Amino acid sequence: AQKVTQAQTEISVVEKEDVTLDCVYETRDTTYYLFWYKQPPSGELVFLIRRNSFDEQNEISGRYSWNFQKSTSSFNFTITASQVVDSAVYFCALSATSNTGKLIFGQGTTLQVKP
Amino acid sequence: DAGVTQSPTHLIKTRGQQVTLRCSPKSGHDTVSWYQQALGQGPQFIFQYYEEEERQRGNFPDRFSGHQFPNYSSELNVNALLLGDSALYLCASSFGTGDSPLHFGNGTRLTVT
Repeated sequence: AQKVTQAQTEISVVEKEDVTLDCVYETRDTTYYLFWYKQPPSGELVFLIRRNSFDEQNEISGRYSWNFQKSTSSFNFTITASQVVDSAVYFCALSATSNTGKLIFGQGTTLQVKP
Repeated sequence: DAGVTQSPTHLIKTRGQQVTLRCSPKSGHDTVSWYQQALGQGPQFIFQYYEEEERQRGNFPDRFSGHQFPNYSSELNVNALLLGDSALYLCASSFGTGDSPLHFGNGTRLTVT
């Protein structure tokens, strides 16, 4: 069975601090996709990144970076120099590569960045 | 370019009633997936529609049904509402049933009293 675990329910940091959101996944598939989504209070899920299971290279996009390690089944997300606008719920998700319409989401981590 | 639109935004129903939620996919998309997000939880996959047929289904009872129209828009119907059906219902669209990324709408907040 597929499963995504985000052990951190809530994280609170002060602006400009770095913060890492953890994600651990389980799957029997040999190929799969991993995702991170941001959900602001408006409710819409905003796509941040998709990673193919064959690509273990870390990725950096501005203040965001992702560390994918198949050996530990983890796909962690780091925000550098956090800002108040980063406050949101962040979800890690997993899907088969054959159909990304069915995503398995973690419970989410609520990030609060205080000024 | 309009994104995924859902209606209504909010809805209050009584236990035992039936409800219909609507979704218009992003322009150029032909596949619609529905998710249920209970308060404080991650979204859970309900089902996916493509070419007017249900292609995949999550672990939801038959009270949850759907439909896709020729213009690719979709409806989610829930019969015999339970208090536990109170949630944010998210619609996502994509192109085809392969690895096209999902685009989500803002959701419909359903409250069952």
